[in-house]
Amino acid sequence: QQPVQSPQAVILREGEDAVINCSSSKALYSVHWYRQKHGEAPVFLMILLKGGEQKGHEKISASFNEKKQQSSLYLTASQLSYSGTYFCGTNGEYGNKLVFGAGTILRVKS
Amino acid sequence: DGGITQSPKYLFRKEGQNVTLSCEQNLNHDAMYWYRQDPGQGLRLIYYSQIVNDFQKGDIAEGYSVSREKKESFPLTVTSAQKNPTAFYLCASSMGGSVLTGNQPQHFGDGTRLSIL
Repeated sequence: QQPVQSPQAVILREGEDAVINCSSSKALYSVHWYRQKHGEAPVFLMILLKGGEQKGHEKISASFNEKKQQSSLYLTASQLSYSGTYFCGTNGEYGNKLVFGAGTILRVKS
Repeated sequence: DGGITQSPKYLFRKEGQNVTLSCEQNLNHDAMYWYRQDPGQGLRLIYYSQIVNDFQKGDIAEGYSVSREKKESFPLTVTSAQKNPTAFYLCASSMGGSVLTGNQPQHFGDGTRLSIL
């Protein structure tokens, strides 16, 4: 079951904040976040694990509500380089297989 | 530098033809994955392999085949049975095999863009 991301797209000015949400209908072991720039490979940002452990990027924070099967990615003081499409990938079973959401397009303007 | 190499960058397929996309990694990762990405959509899993000589179907395996004879290599064949192969194909790898539960980041190659002639 594909997780649902919201919003589908967001436009910010430099320095503004954004929140991207990811919601699943299944119980989750972990949530991954990746950013992809146009025509390039997705780049790892963050993993949130059941039980509260996080691994990832220093300048980006995220939360994981295990009971609601939801995760949110917080981008603060956005920079032009933050532009791209953000994907969450959810893992609800044994192993490292992910199901990705459809993505949230983020555009930061100067 | 360690990484994942996909080749070719662009590939064209003729009607009725099988084509093979290459994916090689030197990260010493156990697990490898193939994803398909269509415009404006997320990544959909085609096949994945957690150890050498073993692989499993993902969500959209029909019309595709893979092999995992070496740890470093996970080639994907798009067969003539795949009627709509035009897409961006991404290969990824991660540490950990079957003992780990979603706690390893996936590292992606630069992708292969496949089109029909």
